[in-house]
Amino acid sequence: KAGVTQTPRYLIKTRGQQVTLSCSPISGHRSVSWYQQTPGQGLQFLFEYFSETQRNKGNFPGRFSGRQFSNSRSEMNVSTLELGDSALYLCASSLLNAFSYGYTFGSGTRLTVV
Amino acid sequence: TQLLEQSPQFLSIQEGENLTVYCNSSSVFSSLQWYRQEPGEGPVLLVTVVTGGEVKKLKRLTFQFGDARKDSSLHITAAQPGDTGLYLCAGSTGANNLFFGTGTRLTVIP
Repeated sequence: KAGVTQTPRYLIKTRGQQVTLSCSPISGHRSVSWYQQTPGQGLQFLFEYFSETQRNKGNFPGRFSGRQFSNSRSEMNVSTLELGDSALYLCASSLLNAFSYGYTFGSGTRLTVV
Repeated sequence: TQLLEQSPQFLSIQEGENLTVYCNSSSVFSSLQWYRQEPGEGPVLLVTVVTGGEVKKLKRLTFQFGDARKDSSLHITAAQPGDTGLYLCAGSTGANNLFFGTGTRLTVIP
């Protein structure tokens, strides 16, 4: 079966711009989570969606937002980009929850803010 | 925020050697998972442990969950170059997200 698909793979944006990242989970997986990965901070949890509802949220500013569609596909948006937002953004899907089923991760979107 | 500390942070060994990676926290976790991440890819789930004292084996990899469910270890026997990667532990408190450890970057030299 197809894995978790993230688009685009690479992105270069200018400070102050906004960006939208897309994630298609494994078919049948209803939970989609987003993580930010940087060399200094490791993997930091952004938010998790289940059945189009945000079920859990990490400690990130309101510039970071997301949504999930009825087909479980998810998008995350970052507005007013800052240099510190440069990171690998990972999407992960799970059948119902990561606690019991673990995550399947996508390959990520590498965002560079200049 | 639950903090998961992994040690060592970096490990470089020769092919055929054994190694152990540690994951420690002051928090109690309902379950703990180990992932391996290769350059340019997302982490891949290796194992989930849920019971204190539990030991799971996956070929040359042995995973152990501490009795108090605050720590875990990953032991690799006869390491191979294909084991090279970033090893991440991740703990769950039962909520719908995982807290990831700081990571151990393993390099196995042929």
